[in-house]
Amino acid sequence: SAVISQKPSRDICQRGTSLTIQCQVDSQVTMMFWYRQQPGQSLTLIATANQGSEATYESGFVIDKFPISRPNLTFSTLTVSNMSPEDSSIYLCSVELGPNQYFGAGTRLSVL
Amino acid sequence: DQQVKQNSPSLSVQEGRISILNCDYTNSMFDYFLWYKKYPAEGPTFLISISSIKDKNEDGRFTVFLNKSAKHLSLHIVPSQPGDSAVYFCAASGSSNTGKLIFGQGTTLQVKP
Repeated sequence: SAVISQKPSRDICQRGTSLTIQCQVDSQVTMMFWYRQQPGQSLTLIATANQGSEATYESGFVIDKFPISRPNLTFSTLTVSNMSPEDSSIYLCSVELGPNQYFGAGTRLSVL
Repeated sequence: DQQVKQNSPSLSVQEGRISILNCDYTNSMFDYFLWYKKYPAEGPTFLISISSIKDKNEDGRFTVFLNKSAKHLSLHIVPSQPGDSAVYFCAASGSSNTGKLIFGQGTTLQVKP
């Protein structure tokens, strides 16, 4: 497995602001993923972030709202832009090691 | 369209007994399945996985069974322990999905001492 660190662990933000979430892995990985878990819901993939290429977004998610950076093989960021209360969720990054995925602890975001 | 379904929102079992968590899927292109355990305020923890070329995989107290014809998999925990109390998610991926996992809604397991 891998040690995956996410920052911040939680935040309370005002409507209209943006928050950048960081994900750090203790080993080099090719594929990193960003998921969202809305209250009472399951996990939904936002985008796949491969180093050296643009992130690939799932249906319903756009780059303007969720810009992603992947500057190297151990780090990625997800920004939640122009937030609204509907963005209140847990945001999780994951990495692929072999056939399995391993998750960070998540960032619990509340938007007022 | 919910491609991965966990139809039981919750399950309660007695310590020492077997816990059986079920998961159904609809997409026949899925060829790899995973189970995760999630405690409150933590990320999902990988438990066990199974490839579609197998029908059983065992790791300690955890066994996953796959019935491809029924598009059904189950996670057996024997014996169940109070520390197993958590939300369990099944997830599926296909070779064409480039790593994308499709998750079920989760089942909350409570193991009573």
